[in-house]
Amino acid sequence: DIQMAQSPSSLSASVGDRVTITCRASQNIRTYLNWYQQKPGKAPKLLVYAASTLQSGVPSGFSGGGSGTDFTLTIRSLQPEDFATYYCQQSYSTPPTFGGGTKVEIK
Amino acid sequence: QVQLVQSGAEVKEPGASVKVPCKASGYTFTDYYLHWIRQAPGEGLEWVGWINPKNGGTNYAQNFQGRVSMTRDTSSSTAYLELSGLRSDDTAIYYCARDSFKAAVTLIVPERFDPWGQGTLVTVSS
Repeated sequence: DIQMAQSPSSLSASVGDRVTITCRASQNIRTYLNWYQQKPGKAPKLLVYAASTLQSGVPSGFSGGGSGTDFTLTIRSLQPEDFATYYCQQSYSTPPTFGGGTKVEIK
Repeated sequence: QVQLVQSGAEVKEPGASVKVPCKASGYTFTDYYLHWIRQAPGEGLEWVGWINPKNGGTNYAQNFQGRVSMTRDTSSSTAYLELSGLRSDDTAIYYCARDSFKAAVTLIVPERFDPWGQGTLVTVSS
């Protein structure tokens, strides 16, 4: 199985900050990488697929990048509604696997 | 709009079985693969398996082989996850999620999960 490692596991940031979350795959997954946002008590929500394509309805302040083994999710200017846990997921091979999550908290 | 609606919480004793429904609406149920993904309390996400609602074909994660069964009822647009031999470490929220991949074609690797159901908390405790 492909292992997905996210860093950091948590971070504290202020409204308006630029935030970058990193995801590393244990092998080359080209651009088969998705990002999800999960708020407390809610189901995950798809933000970005194929490494850099924004899902319909997702604010343009989110962006994804990377290929191969290293990927990033960037929030250009953190908004109050962006405080959540973010997960990456590889869609290169079965079983699909997720990173351990990055919790973005208010500073 | 596309929606997946799941049932409320379940409490089961160790060794029992649980059957969790997921009702789809807002699209043709047999057009897209459906997945089950679970999340233990305070933990990350673990893929359980998929079902093709069109023909009932399934693929289960190795960790669940022999204990899991995924079925569907096309007349009610509902998919079901059944897990047997429940253990305390099966305590988790179980989500259903739709793939973007069309059910008319054999799925090799899931594409992406969207949308998700609201989840069903299954608690295994004596």
